[in-house]
Amino acid sequence: ETGVTQSPTHLIKTRGQQVTLRCSSQSGHNTVSWYQQALGQGPQFIFQYYREEENGRGNFPPRFSGLQFPNYSSELNVNALELDDSALYLCASSPDRGRSRYGYTFGSGTRLTVV
Amino acid sequence: DQQVKQNSPSLSVQEGRISILNCDYTNSMFDYFLWYKKYPAEGPTFLISISSIKDKNEDGRFTVFLNKSAKHLSLHIVPSQPGDSAVYFCAASATGGYQKVTFGTGTKLQVIP
Repeated sequence: ETGVTQSPTHLIKTRGQQVTLRCSSQSGHNTVSWYQQALGQGPQFIFQYYREEENGRGNFPPRFSGLQFPNYSSELNVNALELDDSALYLCASSPDRGRSRYGYTFGSGTRLTVV
Repeated sequence: DQQVKQNSPSLSVQEGRISILNCDYTNSMFDYFLWYKKYPAEGPTFLISISSIKDKNEDGRFTVFLNKSAKHLSLHIVPSQPGDSAVYFCAASATGGYQKVTFGTGTKLQVIP
């Protein structure tokens, strides 16, 4: 059983650029959630995708967008990068959009630095 | 608005002793609570959970206690081991809709050999 994999592991971008982060969900999981973890903070919910549809969104501006593909893998896109977007971006999968007793399975994250 | 609060950013405990990590929440709609452990350069790993219909859940060395009236939960680790050194996140979710989980800011536990 493979876990959640994210790519790339590290990324440096310039303010104003666009970035795409990728995530492969755990086998058997059809729901993917994205979280942003700033330094010294807990993960903050960005949005969730279930069967290729956005299923819920946190308090993030529209320049944060996503996709989910038929194989349940997912992308997070951020346009017009700002310095405050520098953070660890975590992808998490779960077997259903409802609550799992075992919570999410997280990937190791993508460390994004905006300069 | 921090709905899940972990007021202790760090905790040091001697190996073999008990570690107690605390968490408070403000949203009365939360009815499911989880603890995650995070090592550097890794994603959070699920540790233990508890439903609001219970006040205690135990899994090996880990026990979570929930006090709904105080909106407080705690994680007990007995006995503490050096491999337990990590950042521990308290998290909560509410029934209905999508599975949005709200995390606290974390407590860094150091277990001293």
